[in-house]
Amino acid sequence: KNEVEQSPQNLTAQEGEFITINCSYSVGISALHWLQQHPGGGIVSLFMLSSGKKKHGRLIATINIQEKHSSLHITASHPRDSAVYICAVYSGGGADGLTFGKGTHLIIQP
Amino acid sequence: DAGITQSPRHKVTETGTPVTLRCHQTENHRYMYWYRQDPGHGLRLIHYSYGVKDTDKGEVSDGYSVSRSKTEDFLLTLESATSSQTSVYFCASQGFFGDEQFFGPGTRLTVL
Repeated sequence: KNEVEQSPQNLTAQEGEFITINCSYSVGISALHWLQQHPGGGIVSLFMLSSGKKKHGRLIATINIQEKHSSLHITASHPRDSAVYICAVYSGGGADGLTFGKGTHLIIQP
Repeated sequence: DAGITQSPRHKVTETGTPVTLRCHQTENHRYMYWYRQDPGHGLRLIHYSYGVKDTDKGEVSDGYSVSRSKTEDFLLTLESATSSQTSVYFCASQGFFGDEQFFGPGTRLTVL
């Protein structure tokens, strides 16, 4: 079973700061997902990646397959970025879903 | 959005009563999942389905059963609810293996 670790667990930053959230996993994967969950809200997929780097607006996700590590970066952070960010990995081999990290709780203060 | 809904959104019930949660998707996705989310844990897979009438157990399936009689509907049943099943339940759907999963809004279940 893949073990997914995220760091930090909690992060408070000031508006405008550059944010980095890390995710490491123990077993090789075929895809990694970054998800966002707002307080009391549903879960939204931000990125799915299996290699390299993806960018969407102020969000950037990178993955290093050899190191079994991924990072999610937020540039020019804003209070609306406050949410829980969840890393999840798909190891393949069947339709048995994703293995999720416990999430990083991000608060951006104005 | 994939058009995935859950009902009810909130439910309070008593220990020992049966409970059924419904997930409905309009994307004709083949794969559907039920997860639970608890403090201190990541999302954990309860059951999943890879087609009509094709289901299998996930990591935390004890005390739960599922059914999928139509592509669009995936039901989660707690035959006899216990307090340990108090949680937030999320349904998700997926078009094919490893693809993005689309999540429903969640159901908050409290078992007294």
